[in-house]
Amino acid sequence: DTAVSQTPKYLVTQMGNDKSIKCEQNLGHDTMYWYKQDSKKFLKIMFSYNNKELIINETVPNRFSPKSPDKAHLNLHINSLELGDSAVYFCASSQVVLWVNTNTEAFFGQGTRLTVV
Amino acid sequence: GENVEQHPSTLSVQEGDSAVIKCTYSDSASNYFPWYKQELGKRPQLIIDIRSNVGEKKDQRIAVTLNKTAKHFSLHITETQPEDSAVYFCAASFTGGSYIPTFGRGTSLIVHP
Repeated sequence: DTAVSQTPKYLVTQMGNDKSIKCEQNLGHDTMYWYKQDSKKFLKIMFSYNNKELIINETVPNRFSPKSPDKAHLNLHINSLELGDSAVYFCASSQVVLWVNTNTEAFFGQGTRLTVV
Repeated sequence: GENVEQHPSTLSVQEGDSAVIKCTYSDSASNYFPWYKQELGKRPQLIIDIRSNVGEKKDQRIAVTLNKTAKHFSLHITETQPEDSAVYFCAASFTGGSYIPTFGRGTSLIVHP
């Protein structure tokens, strides 16, 4: 069973369109994330979300919005797509913990390669 | 927020040599330091991690060291093999409450046969 799965794997779309990427985790984790990986391979956090709070990286344009219908899903909606949005988007999840010695590994989805033309 | 610097950005070694990747972090509250390996076209996957209550951890050919006073940690790979070629990311975070791993910019390791 895939721990973190995201769809689609590839997405090609025109500028100005609105698109969504879906993410689901079956690990029972409390926290999910979206990362953007640009052409230089830099992994930039976009959002962190659990059932209590949404933490937004303030550098992310408000055209990007996370939507979480339940604890196991965190979808990414992008409005008015721009050429610069082309990147690989990774969903990830981990368990929120309170103790140093508890496993806090973040599991990543396989990534969605978004190309805006 | 946390800021993680990672060096070098590219590292080229001969098979059998050792490779060292270094990271520094800014937030003294950070207490969890994972390392991820990302092969070409694949997702990042955890290879080893270290917590603030230990200074060193080893797993076969991979070891990590942590210096909390200096706020830096390193990944050491011995007897490198071509299959070690990948992008390696360090990360730092605080595991109390909200946990957002902040990643370094990555090191592209190339192991020449």
